[in-house]
Amino acid sequence: QQQVKQSPQSLIVQKGGISIINCAYENTAFDYFPWYQQFPGKGPALLIAIRPDVSEKKEGRFTISFNKSAKQFSLHIMDSQPGDSATYFCAARGQAGTALIFGKGTTLSVSS
Amino acid sequence: GEEVAQTPKHLVRGEGQKAKLYCAPIKGHSYVFWYQQVLKNEFKFLISFQNENVFDETGMPKERFSAKCLPNSPCSLEIQATKLEDSAVYFCASSPGWRETQYFGPGTRLLVL
Repeated sequence: QQQVKQSPQSLIVQKGGISIINCAYENTAFDYFPWYQQFPGKGPALLIAIRPDVSEKKEGRFTISFNKSAKQFSLHIMDSQPGDSATYFCAARGQAGTALIFGKGTTLSVSS
Repeated sequence: GEEVAQTPKHLVRGEGQKAKLYCAPIKGHSYVFWYQQVLKNEFKFLISFQNENVFDETGMPKERFSAKCLPNSPCSLEIQATKLEDSAVYFCASSPGWRETQYFGPGTRLLVL
């Protein structure tokens, strides 16, 4: 049973375009939703995170949109750059636990 | 240190052999987490520690996997009698508090032949 569903599996965007990655969850006990970026051979690094009491959070070119009623959240990368080419993972964590539940990842390729 | 350190980077074991992985959390972080990443993308939570105490072991396979965090030593994850399906990248993460950001190390790539 996959608790966090992520789409698309892969994404190709032109330089300067907007990259959008979507995630959906089922467990209403989740209260923390981070996005991680992972380059080949490296560990995941936190990009941006949101809690369900806000609908949007922006940090530089990265924005999380959160829809609590639909149990969905998404990552928007504005002005996408070749250096953004990486695998992106959404995740969720419950109120009582420490474990991050990850989506299956989206491989983003930004073409120059 | 200011980064999570994991050793070794790569580990090759024959089926049935023991594998031991190490993790040094960021200095001052009380919580350590172990995750297994298989098939390049799928992460599975294994276990977490608060200092030397097990905090959450809901993802830990009971039979062949064990983990420890002892004072003044790197944390360790040990797999007894490795199987082919244990081949994965094992990530360690640390955080200053149990509800705070988890910072990941570079991982140990385990290959079981």
